[in-house]
Amino acid sequence: DIQMTQSPSSLSASVGDRVTISCRASQSITTYLNWYQQKPGKAPKVLIYAASSLQSGVPSRFSGSGSGTDFTLTISSLQPEDFATYYCQQSHSTPRTFGQGTKVEIK
Amino acid sequence: EVQLVESGGGLVQPGGSLRLSCAASGFTFSTYWMSWVRQAPGKGLEWVANIKQDGSEIYYVDSVKGRFTISRDNAQNSLFLQMNSLRVEDTAVYYCASQVWGGPFDYWGPGILVTVSS
Repeated sequence: DIQMTQSPSSLSASVGDRVTISCRASQSITTYLNWYQQKPGKAPKVLIYAASSLQSGVPSRFSGSGSGTDFTLTISSLQPEDFATYYCQQSHSTPRTFGQGTKVEIK
Repeated sequence: EVQLVESGGGLVQPGGSLRLSCAASGFTFSTYWMSWVRQAPGKGLEWVANIKQDGSEIYYVDSVKGRFTISRDNAQNSLFLQMNSLRVEDTAVYYCASQVWGGPFDYWGPGILVTVSS
C-alpha cells in the first residue's frame, strides 16, 4: 500500500497569510494526487486534482504542485472560510489512501 | 444539481449487520466508479471499497475484506454497502463518493453515522 504523509499535522495562521502544506508518498505516484478541504460536520470537497489542476469553482488562491513523491498545497492569502482540515489522497493505486490531515487554525 | 444521499446507518451491536444505501441524482450514475469512504470520530479519511461502472471490478481495503460487500443498481441510480460481522472499530461516518478512475472523489454525500457498540 502507498503511505501518504502530510506535514505539518496542524498550523496556526492569520487571515492574509500564505500557507503551505506538504504531502509525501511512500513511492512514486507521478501526478495522481488530489487535495481536499473538510469543515467540521461536512463532507470533504475536492480542491485540486492531478497534483495541480484546480477543481471547477475553487478559488484561485488555492494551488498545487509536485510530482513523483513530493507535493504541496498552497493557499496564497488565507481567508476566514479557509480554516478547515486539508487532506491529500493518491489515486495511483488501490487501496486509495489519504494523508492524516492538516488542521489549519486561526492564530 | 448532483446529489448523493446515504441512508441505513444507526446503532448495531458487535457482530451485527447493516446495509447502507446511497441514492444518486443529477449526473449519469452508470458512467462513474463509485466508492465508500469512512471517517471514525475525530479521525482521518479511509477509503473502504469501490465498484466499476458495470460492477465487473470491485476492490476493498484489507480491514473489511470478507465482511463488507459493495454493489450497485444502475437502473435505480443506487449504491449499496452490506456490512456484516461489524466491529467496534467500524464505527464511523460513511460517505458515498463518485470518482473517475485515476481521478479524485469528486462528488460526496453528506455521510451517515454507523455506531457499533454493545
